Order: sequence, then C-alpha cells, then structure tokens
Amino acid sequence: KAGVTQTPRYLIKTRGQQVTLSCSPISGHRSVSWYQQTPGQGLQFLFEYFSETQRNKGNFPGRFSGRQFSNSRSEMNVSTLELGDSALYLCASSLIAGGGDTQYFGPGTRLTVL
Amino acid sequence: AQSVAQPEDQVNVAEGNPLTVKCTYSVSGNPYLFWYVQYPNRGLQFLLKYITGDNLVKGSYGFEAEFNKSQTSFHLKKPSALVSDSALYFCAVRPYSSASKIIFGSGTRLSIRP
Repeated sequence: KAGVTQTPRYLIKTRGQQVTLSCSPISGHRSVSWYQQTPGQGLQFLFEYFSETQRNKGNFPGRFSGRQFSNSRSEMNVSTLELGDSALYLCASSLIAGGGDTQYFGPGTRLTVL
Repeated sequence: AQSVAQPEDQVNVAEGNPLTVKCTYSVSGNPYLFWYVQYPNRGLQFLLKYITGDNLVKGSYGFEAEFNKSQTSFHLKKPSALVSDSALYFCAVRPYSSASKIIFGSGTRLSIRP
C-alpha cells in the first residue's frame, strides 16, 4: 500500500504570497491531520479533518486554513506568508479520527519564506 | 491543561548499551500513548502505541515502552542500542475522548556513539 504523499516536497516563497500544500492519505484512510515543525517550536498541531469536516484546530492565525475533499485528499493554505512560516509541514493520515488509531506521516513539505 | 513532557533534549548512549528515552504526560482520564521516530529530512515513523491491556508494549526495531499509570509515564526503551537508532524521538498522547487531538512532546534527540 502506498504511504502518505505530500506535494510539493520543497517550496520557496516570498513574504506576502500565499501557498497551497497537498496531502494524499493512505488508501482507505479518512482522517488527515496537519502539523508545523520548526526547530524553535517543535511539532505543532494545525488541524484535523475527517470525512471533509474539520474536527480539531490548533492555535494558529486565520491565515492558515485547510480542507478535505470527498476522496480524503487534503490541502492546506497559508495566505500572506510571513518569515516565521518557514517550516516543515507534515501531513498524517489515519483510518478514523481520534482514539487509539495510529497516524502515519508523509515526508513533509519544506516551505522557505524569503 | 493536557500536556506531554520529554524532559531530556538529548540522550547519549554507547552502542550496545541499553537506552531509555523518557516521557511523562498529564491528561484527564485514560490516555492513548504513542512513540514516533524521525530521521533527518523525513517524516515521523510510528514505533509503538499503548491502547489498553499489558503495560509493556513492544514495537518496531526492537523498541519497547512501559506504561506506568501511577507515574503517568511512558518511557521508551531498548536493551541494546545501535548507531542506526540515532534520531529524533517523539512521544505523543491522545486523551480518551474521541474528539481530542493528539499532543506531541518536544522531542528527544538520541545519539548512539560507536
């Protein structure tokens, strides 16, 4: 079974621009979560989707948004990019949302904001 | 507030020696507990999880972890360390409520010297 895929793997943007990242979950998985990883802040939860509905949201400004499609693929968007948005963005998929279900992570998208 | 702590930023162990990476948590009710490993420029890989039952959980690559409810801990252990175990390790907890989000620790860098 193919793992979680994320596109693009690397991205360079300038301040003020917007960016869209994509995540394709493992086949059959209906839940997708997004995380931001930085050296200073560690791994921070962005949002969790299940069956096209956002179930949980982290403490990020409204510039960060996401959605999930009927085929469980998910996108996250960051508008008006700031230097501090430079990070590794990780997507994880699981069969269901919550409980003891295991999350499986993709390789991440490395975003650099100049 | 619900949280998970990894008190050591770095753990250094000689190859062949036993290793322990510590994790303590604070959640209301019974938790689901997870360990993940991250190699450079990669996403997180699932190692093991505790759902219920036997307090000693065995996982991938010879790792195991012991759930201790009274000490609210879930330390990761391996009897004999390998140089290839050098990586960043994350402990995570999800409270029992199905609507709860998963909470990650700050990570512990494990360094195994030959």
